[in-house]
Formats: sequence, C-alpha cells, structure tokens
Amino acid sequence: QSALTQPASVSGSPGQSITISCTGTSSDVGTYNFVSWYQQHPGKAPKLMIYEVSNRPSGVSSRFSGSKSGNTASLTISGLQAEDEADYYCSSYRSSGTLVFGGGTKMTVL
Amino acid sequence: EVQLLESGGGLVQPGGSLRLSCPASGFTFSSYTMSWVRQAPGKGLEWVSTISGSGANTYYADSAKGRFTISRDDSKNTLYLQMNSLRAEDTALYYCARGGLTVDGFQHWGQGTLVTVSS
Repeated sequence: QSALTQPASVSGSPGQSITISCTGTSSDVGTYNFVSWYQQHPGKAPKLMIYEVSNRPSGVSSRFSGSKSGNTASLTISGLQAEDEADYYCSSYRSSGTLVFGGGTKMTVL
Repeated sequence: EVQLLESGGGLVQPGGSLRLSCPASGFTFSSYTMSWVRQAPGKGLEWVSTISGSGANTYYADSAKGRFTISRDDSKNTLYLQMNSLRAEDTALYYCARGGLTVDGFQHWGQGTLVTVSS
C-alpha cells in the first residue's frame, strides 16, 4: 500500500500562510472526500485538524483549512504561529477498503 | 472527556505474540468504529486495522493481514489487537484511535504503547 505523497518539509514566517499538498490517485483522494489532516508535535499523539476534506473539529483554529482538487488535497495554515510548528500528515480512504497516510511534512516556523 | 489508554506493549522476540488493549471511557464505546494506527521510531503514521461499532466488520492493512486480529469487548469498553508472528518491522508505537476509514477521521487518540520486536 503506497503512501500518499507529501513534501518532506515546508516553512514560513510568523503571520504568513503556507500550504501542504497531499497527492494520491483516483483510487483514493481523487474519488473520495474522506481526506483528513493530523498535526503531531514531538513526543505527542496526533491531533485531528481537518476531516472530510474541509471540516474542522470543534476547538481547531479557523486558521486551518482544507481543500481538494483532483487527486491532490491541501492543508492551508494562515497567520502562522510558533505553536504551529509540527509534523502534519494527510490520510485518505482507499477503494480497496483500506486507509492510507501520507509520508508526513515537517512544518517549520522561521 | 474521551480517554483511550493503550497497554500491552513490550519487548518480544521475532515470531512471538503480543495482545494490545485499549480501555475507553467518556463516550458510548459500542457506538463507535475503532482503529489501531502505528508509528515506527522516527517514521510516519501507518494505519493498521479498523473494527466497526458492531464488531461485524474488520479491515486490515496488507502488513497486518493474516497476522493481526482486531476485536472489541463492548461490555468492557475495550479494544484489542492480537499480534502474532511478529517481525522486526512491526516495531512501533501503537495508537488506539476512535474513528474509522471514512467519516469524521480519527477524532481521539491514546498516548500509544511501544512494541519492540528484537532478539
């Protein structure tokens, strides 16, 4: 089960916006709106930030938004803050009745 | 408050077995799909297995199929993962998560239990 493709790293300055891409195939991201994004700080459990492409769970800042176009989903973080520095993972349902994660993106706030 | 508390990890030799447990509280356990996700040291997240709220449906990653068995005991509000024929590449932190393959994502996670497969 090959992983979804994410950039290994992205960076931005405080206050800026960054976007993390997550590229799959027509068997997952391209067909299903079951894309989620997770934030993970070092030594901590992952935290759900976005589900079903663009929905935010209660308590997640509106600075986090999600979208999808074709086989690529995206997570945008606006108004970057130091606390946003973390690893980010996307996931998607796959037509084989499985779930696949992306390889993860290390987001650095400069 | 939703709480998931994994246990059962440890050091096991290649070919050995372990049973992970995840007692849950703070929600109606029987109503929710539950999953296991693992993370090898310094690596990314990998979905392992999911079980439906009824327990009738189970799903496995190729890496777990035929070796791992997910189950639940709704009377004890507990999720399990029986792992057999363990390999070095199964070494990871195993997380219990509330949620499944589709809607809602993995809304809640435990803190994980470490499984180390080594001779």
